[in-house]
Amino acid sequence: GENVEQHPSTLSVQEGDSAVIKCTYSDSASNYFPWYKQELGKRPQLIIDIRSNVGEKKDQRIAVTLNKTAKHFSLHITETQPEDSAVYFCAAVGGGTSYGKLTFGQGTILTVHP
Amino acid sequence: EPEVTQTPSHQVTQMGQEVILRCVPISNHLYFYWYRQILGQKVEFLVSFYNNEISEKSEIFDDQFSVERPDGSNFTLKIRSTKLEDSAMYFCASIRGETVIGSYEQYFGPGTRLTVT
Repeated sequence: GENVEQHPSTLSVQEGDSAVIKCTYSDSASNYFPWYKQELGKRPQLIIDIRSNVGEKKDQRIAVTLNKTAKHFSLHITETQPEDSAVYFCAAVGGGTSYGKLTFGQGTILTVHP
Repeated sequence: EPEVTQTPSHQVTQMGQEVILRCVPISNHLYFYWYRQILGQKVEFLVSFYNNEISEKSEIFDDQFSVERPDGSNFTLKIRSTKLEDSAMYFCASIRGETVIGSYEQYFGPGTRLTVT
C-alpha cells in the first residue's frame, strides 16, 4: 500500500519568513496530493491540493509543487503569520482499489514567532 | 455550505463496552470514510464504504469494528468491545465522487473524541 513520509516533524520560523514542508510517497500510481492544516482538537482543513498531471499550484501565500519522477511534493508558505501556526499534514490518494482513500504523513508542527 | 456532522462530540466509555459513533455525510456524496487520530499522531485510515458495502479496510479495522449506513443518511462506526488503545479522535469523511473528473476532495466531520477508561 501507499506510504507517505513527511519532514520536518517540527518547524519554527519568524513571522514573515517562508516555511517549506516536504513529503515523499511510495505508490507511483498515486494521483492526488492534498495538504491539510489542523488546529488543536479540530478537524483537518484542506488548504491546497494538487493532481498528478500538474507540477505546481499556488493560492495566495501557499503553493504546492509535485515531482512525479522523484515521488515527492512540497508545501511552501510565504510571508508566514502567527495564525499559520498549526499542524500540517500531507496526504496522498493511491491507485489502489479504494477510491479516495487518504494516506497521511506524520505531520509537521509549524510555529510562527511574532 | 453543507457540512459533515458527527455525534457525539465526546464519548467516554468503560473498557469492554460497545460504542456507536454517528456521522451524517453531505447528502449527495457517494463515498464515505472513517479515520482515526490518536492524540499527537497522524490521521490513519480505518475503512471506506461505497454502494452500501466496505470497499477497503485497514489492519486496524478488525472484527471489533463494523460500519453501517442504516437509513441512507447516517453512517455509523461501531466498536463492539472497546479497549484502552481505542481512545482517539474518530473522523468521518465523505467524497462526492465524479467518475468522469475524479474529484477526490474529502470533507471531514468535526470528529468524535472517544475516551476509554
